[in-house]
Amino acid sequence: EDKVVQSPLSLVVHEGDTVTLNCSYEVTNFRSLLWYKQEKKAPTFLFMLTSSGIEKKSGRLSSILDKKELFSILNITATQTGDSAVYLCAVTSGSRLTFGEGTQLTVNP
Amino acid sequence: KAGVTQTPRYLIKTRGQQVTLSCSPISGHRSVSWYQQTPGQGLQFLFEYFSETQRNKGNFPGRFSGRQFSNSRSEMNVSTLELGDSALYLCASSPWSSRSGYTFGSGTRLTVV
Repeated sequence: EDKVVQSPLSLVVHEGDTVTLNCSYEVTNFRSLLWYKQEKKAPTFLFMLTSSGIEKKSGRLSSILDKKELFSILNITATQTGDSAVYLCAVTSGSRLTFGEGTQLTVNP
Repeated sequence: KAGVTQTPRYLIKTRGQQVTLSCSPISGHRSVSWYQQTPGQGLQFLFEYFSETQRNKGNFPGRFSGRQFSNSRSEMNVSTLELGDSALYLCASSPWSSRSGYTFGSGTRLTVV
């Protein structure tokens, strides 16, 4: 059975801190790994990673995939209170997404 | 460009009833998938449709079913509702099946009493 594990499950930081969120996976027929941010209802798409070692960046957020070790990290630098959310990691296997439990990030002013 | 639209936003039903939820994908998107989100189980895959065909199905009982129409709009139906079906039901659309990021709708919050 496909499995995605995120750590930590919860994280509280102060504005300006840098955080690293982890995602490890065990799936058959891996196609891609995706990161989403969920604040209220709809998860919003952040990154899709398909190749090892290629960093994807968007502003203060960046992510990288290691297909040999089966994990990915999401980095957020200079955190802001608006970064407070649940960050979800998901892996596509065939036509389904398998999600991790998510990391609840709280950024305090 | 309109996003993924789910209706209704909120729904309260009693045990034993059935419910139909609707999802209109982004224009041009042919893949629609459904997920159930609960505090205890997280986001779990229900099923995925591509060009009116169910391509994949998660580990849910047969009470959960869905379909997709020729205009790519999708519906999911839950029959004989149980208390444990209370959840946020999210729909996601993609241009191609599993080849690009999925865009999620805001979901339907179903409460079974």
